[in-house]
Amino acid sequence: SYVLTQPPSVSVAPGKTARITCGKNNIGSKGVYWYQQKPGQAPVLVIYYDSDRPSGIPERFSGSNSGNTATLTISRVEAGDEADYYCQVWDSSSHHYVFGTGTKVTVL
Amino acid sequence: EVQLVESGGGLVQPGGSLRLSCAASGFTVSSNYMTWVRQAPGKGLEWVSVIYSGGSTYYADSVKGRFTISRDNSKNTLYLQMNSLRAEDTAVYYCARANLDYHYGMDVWGQGTTVTVSS
Repeated sequence: SYVLTQPPSVSVAPGKTARITCGKNNIGSKGVYWYQQKPGQAPVLVIYYDSDRPSGIPERFSGSNSGNTATLTISRVEAGDEADYYCQVWDSSSHHYVFGTGTKVTVL
Repeated sequence: EVQLVESGGGLVQPGGSLRLSCAASGFTVSSNYMTWVRQAPGKGLEWVSVIYSGGSTYYADSVKGRFTISRDNSKNTLYLQMNSLRAEDTAVYYCARANLDYHYGMDVWGQGTTVTVSS
C-alpha cells in the first residue's frame, strides 16, 4: 500500500485561513475525503469526494484536489476548529481505504 | 436517530481472541458498506476492514488472515472477529458507515471500543 503525506502540524490565528495538504503521486486521480477528530472523540467527515461538504458542515471548510496534492482549507478559523485532520482515499485496485498521516491544527 | 454503538473490547493476552460488535440503529447495516477503523494510542487512523452491501470483504495487510468482518442482518449488527492478537493490535476500534450518498465517505462513526493486548 502507499502513504498519504500530511504535515504533522499547522498553526493559525483566529480568523485566518488554515491549509492542510495531503500528498501522493497522482492523488488528483482519486476522490479524497477529510475527517476532523477532536481529542477523545470519533472522527467526523468534513469533506467528501474532493470538495463536497456533508450536511451540517460549515461553508468555512472547503477542499481541492489536483496533481499530487489535495488540500483542505479552513477559512475564518475558530477556536473550535482545533483538532486533528486526516485525509483518506480509496484504492480501487485493492479495495483498501488509506488514511493520511494526520495533521494537528492549533489555533493560536 | 442514526447511530453505531460498539462493544466487546477489553484486555486480552497475546495470541488470544476477541469479537467486537457494532450495533446500528436508524439504518440497515446490510444495505451499506461498513468498515472498521482503529487508532493506536497517540497514533493516527488505520483502516482495518470493509464489508460491502453485496457481502464482499477486504482487509488491511496487517490483519489479513487473523481478523474476520461479518454482519448479522437479523440483529442489524456488524462484527469483527480478531484472532492471534498481537501487542500492535492495541487500539481504539471504531466501526463506521461508508455512505453512498457521500461517495462512500465514512459519515457515521461509533464511539469506539478499546482493545488492549498485553500479558
